[in-house]
Amino acid sequence: ILNVEQSPQSLHVQEGDSTNFTCSFPSSNFYALHWYRWETAKSPEALFVMTLNGDEKKKGRISATLNTKEGYSYLYIKGSQPEDSATYLCAPARQLTFGSGTQLTVLP
Amino acid sequence: SAVISQKPSRDICQRGTSLTIQCQVDSQVTMMFWYRQQPGQSLTLIATANQGSEATYESGFVIDKFPISRPNLTFSTLTVSNMSPEDSSIYLCSVVEQVQGTEAFFGQGTRLTVV
Repeated sequence: ILNVEQSPQSLHVQEGDSTNFTCSFPSSNFYALHWYRWETAKSPEALFVMTLNGDEKKKGRISATLNTKEGYSYLYIKGSQPEDSATYLCAPARQLTFGSGTQLTVLP
Repeated sequence: SAVISQKPSRDICQRGTSLTIQCQVDSQVTMMFWYRQQPGQSLTLIATANQGSEATYESGFVIDKFPISRPNLTFSTLTVSNMSPEDSSIYLCSVVEQVQGTEAFFGQGTRLTVV
C-alpha cells in the first residue's frame, strides 16, 4: 500500500486569497492520482485525475499539477471563496488509500 | 457514476451500544468499501464488503467490532458494536469504477459521536 501524505493538515485563508497544498506519494509504480473535494455533510466528489508527469488540470479557479518523478501533486485555488471550504483528499489510483486531507477554510 | 445513499447522516450514541449504518447503491456493484475518518486522521479502509461471502477486514479491524452485511449487489450495512468514545468518527461507504484507474464514489457519510 502506497504511503500518501498531504500538507498542510489545515489551512485558513481570507476570501480572495490564492492558496495551494501538497499531496506526496511514492513515485515508483505510479499509475494515476485522484483529487477529491469533501464538503461537510456531502459525499466526497472527484475533482481531477492526474496521469502524466507534468500534467496540469484546471476546473474553474482550481488547478492541479503533477510531478511523478519526485512524487508530488499540487492543488491550487485562485481567489478563494467561502464555498471552496472543504477537505481536499488525494489518492493514488489502483488502491484505496487516501491522504489525511487538507482542510481548507475560507473566511469571508 | 454511481449514486450512493447512506444513512443515518449523523448520530449521537451512548457508549456500549451499537449503531448500524446502511448504504444503498443505484446500480449493482461487486464490492463495496467501508471507511472511517477519525478526527485529524486519514480516511482509513475498514473492510471490503463482498456479496455472498464474508467481508475482508483490514489490519486493526475485526468482525466482532465491525460486523458487515452484504445481502445483495446494491446494499450493505456496517455495524459499530459496543461503542466507545474512540469510535467517534465519520464513516463512509464507497464503490469504485474504473476511470483511469480506480475512482471512488462515496455515500454522504455518517458522523458518529459516542458519549
